[in-house]
Amino acid sequence: KQEVTQIPAALSVPEGENLVLNCSFTDSAIYNLQWFRQDPGKGLTSLLLIQSSQREQTSGRLNASLDKSSGRSTLYIAASQPGDSATYLCAVRQGGQNFVFGPGTRLSVLP
Amino acid sequence: DGGITQSPKYLFRKEGQNVTLSCEQNLNHDAMYWYRQDPGQGLRLIYYSQIVNDFQKGDIAEGYSVSREKKESFPLTVTSAQKNPTAFYLCASSTGQIHSGNTIYFGEGSWLTVV
Repeated sequence: KQEVTQIPAALSVPEGENLVLNCSFTDSAIYNLQWFRQDPGKGLTSLLLIQSSQREQTSGRLNASLDKSSGRSTLYIAASQPGDSATYLCAVRQGGQNFVFGPGTRLSVLP
Repeated sequence: DGGITQSPKYLFRKEGQNVTLSCEQNLNHDAMYWYRQDPGQGLRLIYYSQIVNDFQKGDIAEGYSVSREKKESFPLTVTSAQKNPTAFYLCASSTGQIHSGNTIYFGEGSWLTVV
């Protein structure tokens, strides 16, 4: 059974720092991996989607990489801002219609 | 605007009551999902539906029921059999094609509290 973990569980950084969030999954037979942002009490917003055949995707200050063989993905956030404070979740998509989510990393960017 | 609408945002349930959470999407998506999120935890799949009049149990379906009579709608009923229903419930949808690289879209969620 696919399991997705995220490290660290929480992270607090000063504004302007570059940071890396980690996502690991146990079964490499995935179709894609997505990174989401969740603000408190809200739904999830998709940030980046990486197909299984791709190595990375970039959107603005965000860059996500995927190493399917090792079961790892990283989300790199450049020049962090207080508005980046949220919980970041990764999810892998497998056969059928199922997405498996990690528990998330709670990020606080201090002004 | 296209999207997913969940209602109500906040709901209180008495012991022994059934409650129904509404989820409507206008994205023309075939697949719809219900997830449960407990504080500090990830999302757990309750039910999903790939097409109208069909749905499948997820990892934690016990105490829940769904219907999919219309493509746009996927209501979730939390029955009295669900022993610990207090949680944040998220509805989502996606297109039915896995290989198209499509994403999954979420509603704003519904908070259910047992009183």
